[in-house]
Amino acid sequence: DAGITQSPRHKVTETGTPVTLRCHQTENHRYMYWYRQDPGHGLRLIHYSYGVKDTDKGEVSDGYSVSRSKTEDFLLTLESATSSQTSVYFCAISETGNYGYTFGSGTRLTVV
Amino acid sequence: EDKVVQSPLSLVVHEGDTVTLNCSYEVTNFRSLLWYKQEKKAPTFLFMLTSSGIEKKSGRLSSILDKKELFSILNITATQTGDSAIYLCAVEGGSEKLVFGKGTKLTVNP
Repeated sequence: DAGITQSPRHKVTETGTPVTLRCHQTENHRYMYWYRQDPGHGLRLIHYSYGVKDTDKGEVSDGYSVSRSKTEDFLLTLESATSSQTSVYFCAISETGNYGYTFGSGTRLTVV
Repeated sequence: EDKVVQSPLSLVVHEGDTVTLNCSYEVTNFRSLLWYKQEKKAPTFLFMLTSSGIEKKSGRLSSILDKKELFSILNITATQTGDSAIYLCAVEGGSEKLVFGKGTKLTVNP
């Protein structure tokens, strides 16, 4: 998918456990984003990054943290997973910061 | 706070019908409006609109923006079952991120 991959593709985890999702790009794009998608809510921004070690919160950042130590990798961590974090998570990349986002294939996370 | 509202949320049509999907927005320092199509996986880019009244067209799909009334429409003519998808509208404002609407789920029956 245009040089962006997410891992894992599917994950089932137990409430209270830590979970890390990975987004990897080979496009050398500056901007990277994590969204979650839920029925009735569309795509909502969790966190985004505008460069190595430069990150900021989106509209639904509570319970999530991110890290970007290299241009190509953007990690999303759920420190202690809750059932409300069951969702499909999409990573996106952009060169200019806004238009022309390219999305990864998504990670389906189930917290039981 | 930037806001995008899409309507209808769901639409069922027959092959060959023409559909119009709506997107209204409120955004600070508007820069562009984008349409995406989402089938089973990742959203894929359709159009980016920045100027009022200029239609963007790709095959049977077209879109136009009205910056005065703060809305955009996405038209699909002669629909096919392969057009069944969720259509997402997003706006780009002064910040470095897109704000998405909830999407319109289009189902095209044979």
